[in-house]
Amino acid sequence: DTGVSQNPRHKITKRGQNVTFRCDPISEHNRLYWYRQTLGQGPEFLTYFQNEAQLEKSRLLSDRFSAERPKGSFSTLEIQRTEQGDSAMYLCASSTGPTGGQFFGPGTRLTVL
Amino acid sequence: GEDVEQSLFLSVREGDSSVINCTYTDSSSTYLYWYKQEPGAGLQLLTYIFSNMDMKQDQRLTVLLNKKDKHLSLRIADTQTGDSAIYFCAESIPGNTGKLIFGQGTTLQVKP
Repeated sequence: DTGVSQNPRHKITKRGQNVTFRCDPISEHNRLYWYRQTLGQGPEFLTYFQNEAQLEKSRLLSDRFSAERPKGSFSTLEIQRTEQGDSAMYLCASSTGPTGGQFFGPGTRLTVL
Repeated sequence: GEDVEQSLFLSVREGDSSVINCTYTDSSSTYLYWYKQEPGAGLQLLTYIFSNMDMKQDQRLTVLLNKKDKHLSLRIADTQTGDSAIYFCAESIPGNTGKLIFGQGTTLQVKP
């Protein structure tokens, strides 16, 4: 399967802990996006990478959130000092350009107790 | 501002056509997309339309775009029980990032 993969699929953590998620995009895609989706809502944009450069961050991405894409391939999203309000599905998507559509991974569901 | 609105729920009988509607506010949107999400899964890209087009057909799917009214619709012909899912409309914001602004999703229920 050469689609977008995300790990872990599920993460349960206690408030105050740090968590890290990984996304492996489709191999020839140089653009990578992170979105957050809460129950009953559509995905909301968090951040965007073109190759290894992080070119846009949403205001939703507080100081506790950091994302990297060190070699322009896989990406990680870290949340420090998690809060219950961080509970959501975190989706990763990749594409070759700004217009052809983004291809999404299965998501990582985070539950903060 | 950027906003995308969808009706929340649609119920149809198997074999009927489904029409899911969406309105958007950013008149400079370049591309508009339809995604499908099944329970516990990520989003599957169904189809998209460039803003200078009025219609696009792809097998059972027909997308209609009324740019004047900023209205987008997705018609699914001969709806099947496997089409039951949440359908999201999304607009691509002009600029180089290509980030998507999504509606809240329409739950399609297909009754046998």
